[in-house]
Amino acid sequence: NAGVTQTPKFQVLKTGQSMTLQCAQDMNHNSMYWYRQDPGMGLRLIYYSASEGTTDKGEVPNGYNVSRLNKREFSLRLESAAPSQTSVYFCASSEATGLPNEQFFGPGTRLTVL
Amino acid sequence: KQEVTQIPAALSVPEGENLVLNCSFTDSAIYNLQWFRQDPGKGLTSLLLIQSSQREQTSGRLNASLDKSSGRSTLYIAASQPGDSATYLCAVINTGTASKLTFGTGTRLQVTL
Repeated sequence: NAGVTQTPKFQVLKTGQSMTLQCAQDMNHNSMYWYRQDPGMGLRLIYYSASEGTTDKGEVPNGYNVSRLNKREFSLRLESAAPSQTSVYFCASSEATGLPNEQFFGPGTRLTVL
Repeated sequence: KQEVTQIPAALSVPEGENLVLNCSFTDSAIYNLQWFRQDPGKGLTSLLLIQSSQREQTSGRLNASLDKSSGRSTLYIAASQPGDSATYLCAVINTGTASKLTFGTGTRLQVTL
């Protein structure tokens, strides 16, 4: 039981390049989330998926797109990376968006955009 | 807009001390509050979740309390150990936004020998 897994662990991009961050969970959770963590700003929600087939914007969605591929997998895509997207990205999952909504996090992807 | 504050930002204590970490939030209309631990360069580990109808939760040497009316939560760590050294984050989910965790910026704890 691996919990929430993310690939890659590290990535360096040049401005304007694109990439997809992958996330998978094996807990049979319905809801999945993408956060970014920046120094001094805490974690902020980018997008979430309440259930398979649905996605919604969070607090900081600009510059990102997501795909809920199936119940297990939720990907985050940067179409044209910018230096402001340098951050640590975390994927999380929970049984549902209803209460109590305890969220479980992956190990993170450390992204640098030059 | 919900704001979550954690004070102090950093704390150093000798091994064996009991300690309290503080979390305050500006909007008391919350569904639940979750405490996490984050080790350097790692992801977040869920420690305790307190639902809005509860006042505290306990797990081993950890006890978290919630006072919605005053907008505060505390995480009590008994008999601290060097292995407790990490950053501790609290996060809340507001009523009406059942999916969105609002995080504090954390308290970095160091337990010295």
